[in-house]
Amino acid sequence: RKEVEQDPGPFNVPEGATVAFNCTYSNSASQSFFWYRQDCRKEPKLLMSVYSSGNEDGRFTAQLNRASQYISLLIRDSKLSDSATYLCVVPRLNPGRRALTFGSGTRLQVQP
Amino acid sequence: DVKVTQSSRYLVKRTGEKVFLECVQDMDHENMFWYRQDPGLGLRLIYFSYDVKMKEKGDIPEGYSVSREKKERFSLILESASTNQTSMYLCASRLGVLEYEQYFGPGTRLTVT
Repeated sequence: RKEVEQDPGPFNVPEGATVAFNCTYSNSASQSFFWYRQDCRKEPKLLMSVYSSGNEDGRFTAQLNRASQYISLLIRDSKLSDSATYLCVVPRLNPGRRALTFGSGTRLQVQP
Repeated sequence: DVKVTQSSRYLVKRTGEKVFLECVQDMDHENMFWYRQDPGLGLRLIYFSYDVKMKEKGDIPEGYSVSREKKERFSLILESASTNQTSMYLCASRLGVLEYEQYFGPGTRLTVT
């Protein structure tokens, strides 16, 4: 099983829709998780962190389900500018927790 | 604002050439990383460094080496470029072990012909 798995999409949704992506991870000892956003032909940037209690930032909500080993990202009231690839990220547990494992990403296309 | 810069946005090299990709960060970060990104495969870690002159192999180090002589600069070297090393190369830096936000450079699109 891959360390981090995501549905590649694309998810095509109309403006104003609510969309959710899941990401599964293999190591049950993982404690923290992250969502990065990558616009077309740009570098990834941190979108939000996901801790045990979940996290909400405006229209974006990230949640963690430890029992089933997945994290989710919910986007409400989608905007055209939300079109991007969303990368699920898990810190490696060894060596030294210095590196991150990136999922291959879920592509979102918001249509007018 | 953290800034990570990479020496070239686009590079075309011939098979067998030695290729140097340079990355510089201006925020005194300890950790620096090199990834390659390919469609369907996502970001794959090549090498990382957690201090000057220190390096660790990532998931796909074969055919690559790195150099970190100064804290702000991390170089990726393709000893003898091959066509399967055609890819987007992304450099990143991060402050410390518990600081998980990684800052990426704009990437270098390398084509090996």
